[in-house]
Formats: sequence, structure tokens, C-alpha cells
Amino acid sequence: AQKITQTQPGMFVQEKEAVTLDCTYDTSDQSYGLFWYKQPSSGEMIFLIYQGSYDEQNATEGRYSLNFQKARKSANLVISASQLGDSAMYFCAIPTGNQFYFGTGTSLTVIP
Amino acid sequence: DGGITQSPKYLFRKEGQNVTLSCEQNLNHDAMYWYRQDPGQGLRLIYYSQIVNDFQKGDIAEGYSVSREKKESFPLTVTSAQKNPTAFYLCASAIAGRSDEQYFGPGTRLTVT
Repeated sequence: AQKITQTQPGMFVQEKEAVTLDCTYDTSDQSYGLFWYKQPSSGEMIFLIYQGSYDEQNATEGRYSLNFQKARKSANLVISASQLGDSAMYFCAIPTGNQFYFGTGTSLTVIP
Repeated sequence: DGGITQSPKYLFRKEGQNVTLSCEQNLNHDAMYWYRQDPGQGLRLIYYSQIVNDFQKGDIAEGYSVSREKKESFPLTVTSAQKNPTAFYLCASAIAGRSDEQYFGPGTRLTVT
């Protein structure tokens, strides 16, 4: 099984500032993908960004980017120019076989 | 619109009763999944199905049962054997062989008292 660690249970950021959410993982797979999802209070899981283990460039998707450090098995999510609507839970996940393994999540609160 | 529907959004039951959570998708996906989420926790896989009439246990299948009689439907029954059934339940679906590209439903919050 994969092991996904998100060490920040809760984070606060001022509106318009950038914030980094940490994710480290442990996998024996040579080729894998790393996903980030956002879960607002309504409960649905919203896909944000994906990084493949062999992608040389860090993934970016609008205000979201990944700081991917493969040797350290770290894939931190960076949200730039935070907005009030970014307040939510954020989950890091790795699929393996037929399963998705999720971290325990980080609760982000954006302060006006 | 294509998507996944889970109904109802909120469900309340008395302890000792079985309850069935609905999950329907019109994405023509072969694979469907059920996850459980507890407060402050990530998602844990209960059951998944790659094809009609076939399903596999996930990490926490005890106390749950599923059926997959139709491609578009994957109902989950929470039985009285499940010790702590109160949780948020999420259903997902994916194209066959693409478990890394799962689409999630809006979830059902089950409260058992």
C-alpha cells in the first residue's frame, strides 16, 4: 500500500497571499502519479492538479502549481493569490492498481 | 449533463437498521468505487467494481455489501454489522483501466443514532 503524509492539519493564509500545502509519500512504484483534490464544505471532491513521476516540469494549473521533489518523495501544492473560495480541505492522493490512497488532508482557511 | 448522483445528501437511521446508499452514473464508466470519509481523515476504499456483476473488497469492507447489476448503478448497503456507520460516503467512477482518473459524486452524509 502507498503511504501519504500530510503533516499540516490546518493552515491559515491571508487573502491574495500564496500558501504551500505539504505532501510526502512512500511508494515502491517506479512510475506513479500524484494528485491533489479540493473538498469544500459541500463535500464533493474536486480534482485540482496532477503530476506524473516522470514529468520533468512541475505541473501548473492556473493558480495551482506543484513543487515536486521526486528524490525527497515530496509533492507540495502551491496556491498563489489565495481567494476566499479556496477555503476547503485539500487532499494529496496516489493511485496504485485499482485503488486511490489519500492523505489525511489539510484544512485551509483564507482570511479576508 | 453527464455525472454521478448520490442520493440522498443526508440520511438518518436508527442503530441496528440496514441502509442502502444510492450511486448512479451516466458517464458510461465501467469502474465504480465507494469510499468512506471520517472527520479529519482522508478517503478509505470500501468496495470497487471493474465490471457489471463483479466487485472487490477495499481496505474497509467489513460491515458493508454492494451489488453491481447494472453498469450505471453501484448501491452500497451499510449493514447493522458495521460498528461505526456514521460517516460521509463518496461514490466515484472511472473508465476501465483508468482508476487514476476517478470522477466523484457529491457524497451522502449518513448519521446513525
